[in-house]
Amino acid sequence: KAGVTQTPRYLIKTRGQQVTLSCSPISGHRSVSWYQQTPGQGLQFLFEYFSETQRNKGNFPGRFSGRQFSNSRSEMNVSTLELGDSALYLCASSLAPQGDGYTFGSGTRLTVV
Amino acid sequence: AQSVAQPEDQVNVAEGNPLTVKCTYSVSGNPYLFWYVQYPNRGLQFLLKYITGDNLVKGSYGFEAEFNKSQTSFHLKKPSALVSDSALYFCAVRRSTDSWGKLQFGAGTQVVVTP
Repeated sequence: KAGVTQTPRYLIKTRGQQVTLSCSPISGHRSVSWYQQTPGQGLQFLFEYFSETQRNKGNFPGRFSGRQFSNSRSEMNVSTLELGDSALYLCASSLAPQGDGYTFGSGTRLTVV
Repeated sequence: AQSVAQPEDQVNVAEGNPLTVKCTYSVSGNPYLFWYVQYPNRGLQFLLKYITGDNLVKGSYGFEAEFNKSQTSFHLKKPSALVSDSALYFCAVRRSTDSWGKLQFGAGTQVVVTP
């Protein structure tokens, strides 16, 4: 059974650009969550999607957005990149939002220069 | 709001000795509690969870954790540490009554196991 797949693994972008990250959940999992991990702030919740609808959102500016497709795959987008957006972005999937198990992908390492 | 505290930034232990990583939490209502491990440049790997039932939870790779409601703690333990257990460990909590599954993570504890 394939795990959570995140692409790309590494990205280097310039300030002011935008970026799109992709997450394919485990087959059958319908809930996808996104987290940002930085040395200073640790793991912070970005948002959660279920049935193509955003169900929960963390305290991030509107430059951070996401969506979920009918096959449960999810993308997150960051516009007008800032140096502080450099982080490991992790996606997690679960069977259902109230599910008691979350499987994480290996993450996308974004570096903003 | 929920919160998680991992009071130790780093835990050092010799191989073969018992390993304990501490976690305390604050949440209104009943908690769902999780432990994850992260190796360098990798995502989080699930170790174990407490949802309900037996307070002693057994997980992957010989790890276990004990839920203590009165002390609001969920410490991770392993009877005999291996060098390969050296990694970053995260405790996480969410409320059991939440409709949507936002996890609140602790800051993480770096475990260093020396041969």
